[in-house]
Amino acid sequence: DAGVIQSPRHEVTEMGQEVTLRCKPISGHNSLFWYRQTMMRGLELLIYFNNNVPIDDSGMPEDRFSAKMPNASFSTLKIQPSEPRDSAVYFCASSLAAGENYGYTFGSGTRLTVV
Amino acid sequence: KNQVEQSPQSLIILEGKNCTLQCNYTVSPFSNLRWYKQDTGRGPVSLTIMTFSENTKSNGRYTATLDADTKQSSLHITASQLSDSASYICVVSAKLPGNMLTFGGGTRLMVKP
Repeated sequence: DAGVIQSPRHEVTEMGQEVTLRCKPISGHNSLFWYRQTMMRGLELLIYFNNNVPIDDSGMPEDRFSAKMPNASFSTLKIQPSEPRDSAVYFCASSLAAGENYGYTFGSGTRLTVV
Repeated sequence: KNQVEQSPQSLIILEGKNCTLQCNYTVSPFSNLRWYKQDTGRGPVSLTIMTFSENTKSNGRYTATLDADTKQSSLHITASQLSDSASYICVVSAKLPGNMLTFGGGTRLMVKP
């Protein structure tokens, strides 16, 4: 298995533009998580899905952020409109289930820079 | 509020030396504690996962300890190598429905030749 695949690896965009980050979880994993990592705040959970259904989106900063999981093998995180403070590394992770005893596999992340 | 504090924030050691990273947490109800290694530009990779009843767990040159009474954990790296240079993140899971992970801020380790 190629692991959790994220694209793009790097994204530079202008303030106000729409940004879409993509994630392909490990085949057979039922839970998918979007995290954001910054130097100031470390890793923060934005949203997670279980069996393609959003379970907890309380970590989504504001209405400019939205996430979808149309099927078991694909998820997107969209920011519209983007702002400089959205600059961070966004990680996608997947696990067999969302229980606390399951291992999580992280993707390599998307480094987003909003100028 | 669930919190995970790690120390030191950064550490520089010479190749071949040992080091110990600390993690204190206030997550409740406690389920398990994980140590992740994150190389620059990569996602975190799991090193160990420890439940309430486990005191020590090893993964090669990495040994994690857990004291559930004092809510402290440590990660000991033996005979460090240049490839150990990375951020080490302590993550504590609460025994609650769904994913309730609380991440520490990490310790950035640099191993110098």
